Amino acid sequence: DSGVTQTPKHLITATGQRVTLRCSPRSGDLSVYWYQQSLDQGLQFLIQYYNGEERAKGNILERFSAQQFPDLHSELNLSSLELGDSALYFCASSTREQGKGETQYFGPGTRLLVL
Amino acid sequence: AQSVAQPEDQVNVAEGNPLTVKCTYSVSGNPYLFWYVQYPNRGLQFLLKYITGDNLVKGSYGFEAEFNKSQTSFHLKKPSALVSDSALYFCAVRDPYGNNRLAFGKGNQVVVIP
Repeated sequence: DSGVTQTPKHLITATGQRVTLRCSPRSGDLSVYWYQQSLDQGLQFLIQYYNGEERAKGNILERFSAQQFPDLHSELNLSSLELGDSALYFCASSTREQGKGETQYFGPGTRLLVL
Repeated sequence: AQSVAQPEDQVNVAEGNPLTVKCTYSVSGNPYLFWYVQYPNRGLQFLLKYITGDNLVKGSYGFEAEFNKSQTSFHLKKPSALVSDSALYFCAVRDPYGNNRLAFGKGNQVVVIP
């Protein structure tokens, strides 16, 4: 168990709908990363937050957005869903370890199926 | 841009035999390299990382990886594979210019045959 939690585990919805994925980082971790894993694209970085502020954006669609709240949990919002958005969405959190750099620890993921 | 390549799709190995999963990298600057493992219907589990120092890095579950700067490689190894090691293995490199995001390889399916 990495200490990172994600809800829900599974999500089935229809095209055009909007969903929210939730992530709680490990205790004390300030950074949250979101990744998408799909068969055709592999594991792709979406977006990063650090202590409530957006720090970096990757291959994130304009239909997707995220935020990190004061209690450090994060939400990834996916709207106007398309069939191609079906994927496994991972959250990871990290903290800098003295002399060891930074390690990202991943949650169990949310499997999204768009029908 | 930082990237890693995992040239093989699947690695088959007999139980008890040595296991090697290959990874090569392309980075500007010092490479920060990682190995993660994904079991079916599970998240990614951190195995080990190379930041600096010894070229042989020891990690979880008996795995180790050898950093080779001249060959730009970071191969994952285990002296004696177990059936329970069957999983998807990902090599990743940290992008220090992209706020530490990880760039992952395509993954290697490891099948340990009893």
